[in-house]
Amino acid sequence: AQKITQTQPGMFVQEKEAVTLDCTYDTSDQSYGLFWYKQPSSGEMIFLIYQGSYDEQNATEGRYSLNFQKARKSANLVISASQLGDSAMYFCAMRANTGNQFYFGTGTSLTVIP
Amino acid sequence: GAVVSQHPSRVICKSGTSVKIECRSLDFQATTMFWYRQFPKQSLMLMATSNEGSKATYEQGVEKDKFLINHASLTLSTLTVTSAHPEDSSFYICSARDILRGGGPDTQYFGPGTRLTVL
Repeated sequence: AQKITQTQPGMFVQEKEAVTLDCTYDTSDQSYGLFWYKQPSSGEMIFLIYQGSYDEQNATEGRYSLNFQKARKSANLVISASQLGDSAMYFCAMRANTGNQFYFGTGTSLTVIP
Repeated sequence: GAVVSQHPSRVICKSGTSVKIECRSLDFQATTMFWYRQFPKQSLMLMATSNEGSKATYEQGVEKDKFLINHASLTLSTLTVTSAHPEDSSFYICSARDILRGGGPDTQYFGPGTRLTVL
């Protein structure tokens, strides 16, 4: 069975500071993909970043980077230079090689303080 | 810009009526679309996988007769909530997979969601 765990229900960060959102996963599959999505209060799910299980380099997309530690089964999202518009829910998700399903974590609510 | 649209964005209906929600991929063809349900302050739960030209695959515990899914074309999937009841009130989100867009072959792009309220 696949499982995604986000242990931080809420996080606060000062504007312009960096913040790390934690995500651990559990799977027996060798091939899988890890994703982070942002969900503002409007409800839309916005794709942020992707990491493949065989990717040797950590993924980066602008101010977003994914700290992938395969042996520890963690895929933490790092947001650098936080902006007020970063305040939102953040979901970590995984798609295993078997099946179609995306498994989502319970989310972390990030609040950026001016 | 948005790659997946949903209509309507918000709907209020009376108990016992049926509601149809549309999900469209705007600039790509999606052979597979997904329907999720999200309760307030909770995560997304996959309801079903919609395959163009074939029957949808429902997750365990999801009533296929209540949540009818039709994937009539490569750009449109619909979810019909039949005989809706207050407990069906939720946020429904669709997604589609575009293997040509950035983010890896399995990236799903989500619609803006539909907030259903059943009175």
